[in-house]
Amino acid sequence: DAGVIQSPRHEVTEMGQEVTLRCKPISGHDYLFWYRQTMMRGLELLIYFNNNVPIDDSGMPEDRFSAKMPNASFSTLKIQPSEPRDSAVYFCATGGEATDTQYFGPGTRLTVL
Amino acid sequence: KQEVTQIPAALSVPEGENLVLNCSFTDSAIYNLQWFRQDPGKGLTSLLLIQSSQREQTSGRLNASLDKSSGRSTLYIAASQPGDSATYLCAVYTSGTYKYIFGTGTRLKVLA
Repeated sequence: DAGVIQSPRHEVTEMGQEVTLRCKPISGHDYLFWYRQTMMRGLELLIYFNNNVPIDDSGMPEDRFSAKMPNASFSTLKIQPSEPRDSAVYFCATGGEATDTQYFGPGTRLTVL
Repeated sequence: KQEVTQIPAALSVPEGENLVLNCSFTDSAIYNLQWFRQDPGKGLTSLLLIQSSQREQTSGRLNASLDKSSGRSTLYIAASQPGDSATYLCAVYTSGTYKYIFGTGTRLKVLA
């Protein structure tokens, strides 16, 4: 398996633009997690899915953020409109169970100017 | 609310030295604890997972211990090598929260 795949790896955009981050999980993993990492706040869980269903979105900072998982092979995290304070590295991770080892993707480094 | 602390934030050691990284958590009602490694510009890689019923786990030169009652875990690295240089994070899964809470990490540099 190629592991968790994220795209794009780097994204530079201007304030107010829509940003869509993509994740392809490891086949067979029922749990998918979206995290955000910044120097100030460390690694924070934004939302996670179980069998494509959103379970806990309490970490999503604002209504500007939304996430979907239309099928077991694909998930998106969308920010609309983007703001400079959204600049961070966004990670997607997957696992067989919520408590299991988590497998992280390489991340998407987002810069909002 | 679970809080996870890792001290020190950064550590430099000469090659060959044995070292200990620390992780403290405030709520002892944990389900398990993981140690991760993160290389610059990369994602996290899980190193060891300790379940709440276990006291320690070993993988190669790495040994992780867990003391739930005192809210502490340590990651012991034997005979450190320059390739061990990375940031090490611990993450705690607290019963009832259904998610991992991560520490801010210890940035390790092993000097050749």
